[in-house]
Amino acid sequence: DAKTTQPPSMDCAEGRAANLPCNHSTISGNEYVYWYRQIHSQGPQYIIHGLKNNETNEMASLIITEDRKSSTLILPHATLRDTAVYYCIVRYANDYKLSFGAGTTVTVRA
Amino acid sequence: DGGITQSPKYLFRKEGQNVTLSCEQNLNHDAMYWYRQDPGQGLRLIYYSQIVNDFQKGDIAEGYSVSREKKESFPLTVTSAQKNPTAFYLCASSAANQETQYFGPGTRLLVL
Repeated sequence: DAKTTQPPSMDCAEGRAANLPCNHSTISGNEYVYWYRQIHSQGPQYIIHGLKNNETNEMASLIITEDRKSSTLILPHATLRDTAVYYCIVRYANDYKLSFGAGTTVTVRA
Repeated sequence: DGGITQSPKYLFRKEGQNVTLSCEQNLNHDAMYWYRQDPGQGLRLIYYSQIVNDFQKGDIAEGYSVSREKKESFPLTVTSAQKNPTAFYLCASSAANQETQYFGPGTRLLVL
């Protein structure tokens, strides 16, 4: 699997958009970009994934650059409950394993 | 509600004791997984199962055993051979092997 690089931490103001960057410069053409988050002492929660095109769901938007070497997860209106560790993962479609790195600790402040 | 349940939330193991962690899903998923998470670290795959009555070892299977007798259940036994069992154990499932994995709430295992 390609490796990802994320900032270790970031702060965000409640009600503002949170933009979480992820670099995956060695990603291959058939690897997907997945985002999960983990609130303290809970299981990881799936957020969104994409291959080439930008994606949006009820939780977030995923913006993937044209060269696919980086992506940004956007939480449009951050709330205090969005405080969590966010993981960016690249994964082959037929890979049975998810490889979580250190992630980004996001703290939403009132 | 559809989802994945794990029990118990906390489990205490005595030295030399085998303990079993429960994982049940009602999502009609074919594939199920067990991961281990140590403090401040990512997840490591212990075992996975793509179909009933079949399972494969992950990266850290030593000291663990599993069974998959029913589609909805994938229990994990932590045996006495696992010398460092204290960790957060996470069960996940997916519709098929390649699909998005969804996680349960986890079981925290502590050694007395």
